[in-house]
Order: sequence, then C-alpha cells, then structure tokens
Amino acid sequence: GQNIDQPTEMTATEGAIVQINCTYQTSGFNGLFWYQQHAGEAPTFLSYNVLDGLEEKGRFSSFLSRSKGYSYLLLKELQMKDSASYLCAVRDPGSYIPTFGRGTSLIVHP
Amino acid sequence: DTEVTQTPKHLVMGMTNKKSLKCEQHMGHRAMYWYKQKAKKPPELMFVYSYEKLSINESVPSRFSPECPNSSLLNLHLHALQPEDSALYLCASSLARGDGYTFGSGTRLTVV
Repeated sequence: GQNIDQPTEMTATEGAIVQINCTYQTSGFNGLFWYQQHAGEAPTFLSYNVLDGLEEKGRFSSFLSRSKGYSYLLLKELQMKDSASYLCAVRDPGSYIPTFGRGTSLIVHP
Repeated sequence: DTEVTQTPKHLVMGMTNKKSLKCEQHMGHRAMYWYKQKAKKPPELMFVYSYEKLSINESVPSRFSPECPNSSLLNLHLHALQPEDSALYLCASSLARGDGYTFGSGTRLTVV
C-alpha cells in the first residue's frame, strides 16, 4: 500500500522561501512527482525525482532521499501567484501509476 | 500542441441522463487517464489506457464507461449517475504509462 503524508496548509510571505515536505511509506518506489494545482484548475507538472539529491528548476527545486522516504519542494522568491495546492505523488514500480498525497495548500500573503 | 483538451468544461445532468465527457491530445502520448477529484481532495485514479487498450480499471462502477477510439481521443460515458458522483473529472496523458502527466482543465460535473 501507499501512505503519503504532507502538511495540510502552509502560509508564507511574498518574496520569502518556503519548503513543503512529503514523507512516504510505500510498498515500492519508482519515482516521485510534484504537481501544482490552482483552485478550480487542473494540476500542472512541476518536477520528477527518482535518484537522491536536489533538482533545480528556476525558482522551484525538489529534493529526494529514498532511504528516508522523504522529499521536499522548495519555492524561492515567492509570488502571490504561487498560492496553490502542491501535490506529492509516488509512482508504484509495478503499475507505474502514481498515488497522490492529499496536497498542501500554500497561501502567500503580501 | 502541448495541451490536453477536455469538453465540456461544465456539465449538469439528471440521474436518468446519458452524457459523455471527451478528452483529446495531439502530443503523441500513448497513455491516457481518467481521474475524479472532489473538493480539497487529491485526484483519484479511475481508468488507464495504454496504447489504446484499457490497462487499469480501479473498480469503478459500471455507470462510468470509458472508451478510447484512437490514440488521440478518450471518452467517458456516463449513465444513471448519483449525486455523489458530482466532482471534477480530469483527463491526463503521458508519453508512456507512468511518465509525468499533462492534465486537461477538467469537466466540472454536477448530478442533480
């Protein structure tokens, strides 16, 4: 089975840095995705990690530690438009289908 | 073309109606998916098509019937739905099964 845990909600200030954590206990692991979803809209792909370490992509970075069952998404220079839900998803090695966590609602305020 | 297009964007249907949701992509993706999402919940997988064949059905009730006429199109036929089926229905595609998804903008379905 898959158990994926993320904080329900976080708040941060415009221009700041925020780290959204995701921990997982799964029967197998074949990669971890992060998606961003604005209210009422479809999720959009942010990042994919399958090896340990940090992947940087502009203002967003994603980190993975497979031994710890842990990932985080780091958002720098926060903007108001970054207010959204951030979904962590772990891919099953058998089906190749990701299971989504409940998502973290990030609120960025001025 | 880097989009997944879903129609309609909104749908209100009665419990005795039959309707269909449509999804289209022209990115050459060979895997397509239907997800259901309730408010403040993560997307729940319904069906997976890989190379136009149904490869996963997550024990979805038969009132939901998927169809993949060709590699670019995915339909979801709806019949005799219940009010609890009201949700956002998301279509997604990926180059191969399990790759990063491109989601459509969804169909917001209300069953009355």
